[in-house]
Amino acid sequence: DTEVTQTPKHLVMGMTNKKSLKCEQHMGHRAMYWYKQKAKKPPELMFVYSYEKLSINESVPSRFSPECPNSSLLNLHLHALQPEDSALYLCASSHPGAEELFFGSGTQLSVL
Amino acid sequence: AQTVTQSQPEMSVQEAETVTLSCTYDTSESDYYLFWYKQPPSRQMILVIRQEAYKQQNATENRFSVNFQKAAKSFSLKISDSQLGDAAMYFCAFSNTGNQFYFGTGTSLTVIP
Repeated sequence: DTEVTQTPKHLVMGMTNKKSLKCEQHMGHRAMYWYKQKAKKPPELMFVYSYEKLSINESVPSRFSPECPNSSLLNLHLHALQPEDSALYLCASSHPGAEELFFGSGTQLSVL
Repeated sequence: AQTVTQSQPEMSVQEAETVTLSCTYDTSESDYYLFWYKQPPSRQMILVIRQEAYKQQNATENRFSVNFQKAAKSFSLKISDSQLGDAAMYFCAFSNTGNQFYFGTGTSLTVIP
């Protein structure tokens, strides 16, 4: 299994809603990532978990809250988002040592 | 700090022809990886090719090959026999051993039938 699975694929939410994005991998990777990507731009790193501990937080607003319940799962909890947060959210995983990033297919988020 | 530069925002190539996408990077590290990722309109990020910095031999994957010039910090991607399915955004990326990946700004490749 060489897949990173993200759900949902599309999400529309209001600014007062609370929602969660989910990511799962079964490749034994111990590093997991959340990226935000706007159209025609490179992915922007948000968070990195290494061995289930948050190792990098790229000064992301607190309305985004990551969680890594176990080595296979990564969540991103969303609350009180702004329209400018509308983007493609990509989950990725890798072996520690950063040999290669495996990406999920992303969640296209629209904030109304 | 590591930086990755792609100086060609857009490129086009005739079907069946060859195209080269440019990438330069800046790092003080000696141990690292370089990648080319493809992102088609589906927006799935797909690894095209990977190069380990310690390997002198250029990586190849079927129609895709790289020209890795370590001293010049250059890592270009050559696509031979271009196909319509090669049309996509291509991102050059760099990683060190600290779980950090750095992406260039991307090159949008159009394949003309």
